[in-house]
Amino acid sequence: DAGITQSPRYKITETGRQVTLMCHQTWSHSYMFWYRQDLGHGLRLIYYSAAADITDKGEVPDGYVVSRSKTENFPLTLESATRSQTSVYFCASTATKPGRSTDTQYFGPGTRLTVL
Amino acid sequence: AQSVTQPDIHITVSEGASLELRCNYSYGATPYLFWYVQSPGQGLQLLLKYFSGDTLVQGIKGFEAEFKRSQSSFNLRKPSVHWSDAAEYFCAVGRSSGGYNKLIFGAGTRLAVHP
Repeated sequence: DAGITQSPRYKITETGRQVTLMCHQTWSHSYMFWYRQDLGHGLRLIYYSAAADITDKGEVPDGYVVSRSKTENFPLTLESATRSQTSVYFCASTATKPGRSTDTQYFGPGTRLTVL
Repeated sequence: AQSVTQPDIHITVSEGASLELRCNYSYGATPYLFWYVQSPGQGLQLLLKYFSGDTLVQGIKGFEAEFKRSQSSFNLRKPSVHWSDAAEYFCAVGRSSGGYNKLIFGAGTRLAVHP
């Protein structure tokens, strides 16, 4: 079934370890986004990408790295996990350029990450 | 700076009662606005969006929202709530920056529905 998937859905790791969260979409959407969701903050943008090999920082990028070698994949890496990175991470994608009425971001189911 | 405020963290209503969730935004230009719903353990689903035109927007699941520029508000309403509407609701403003549509989210309102 087409859509946007994230893996793993749940992850427990230790401080200092490297962790990679995967995001895959089957729509060939150009734009992809990573958000983190924390209580009292809603969703905050970590990184985004307009196309393969084009990425840029969002609101809270520190401690994260992204890559986008293929249009359909947008992995998020925590190079050295910290407890403050315990959160729920959502990936999203959209095909539409900003400002158009058809613009809708589609969200994956999320990855719940716990850093001990 | 752009921001979105959802004044109510938690709201409880009885099934069949009407619902209004508040959203206020701060944005210098004409905003485009969204309401998303998140059911427990799920991702976010778009309920409705406003880009231009009619300020009363109809969405899925019987929801509607009204854009009021003078009040910088985009409140979500439903005339009769169902138990399945219990979820968390997020208002967001879309900001066009550098060719991207970046969403700024409010902190969310958690809705509980009593039978």
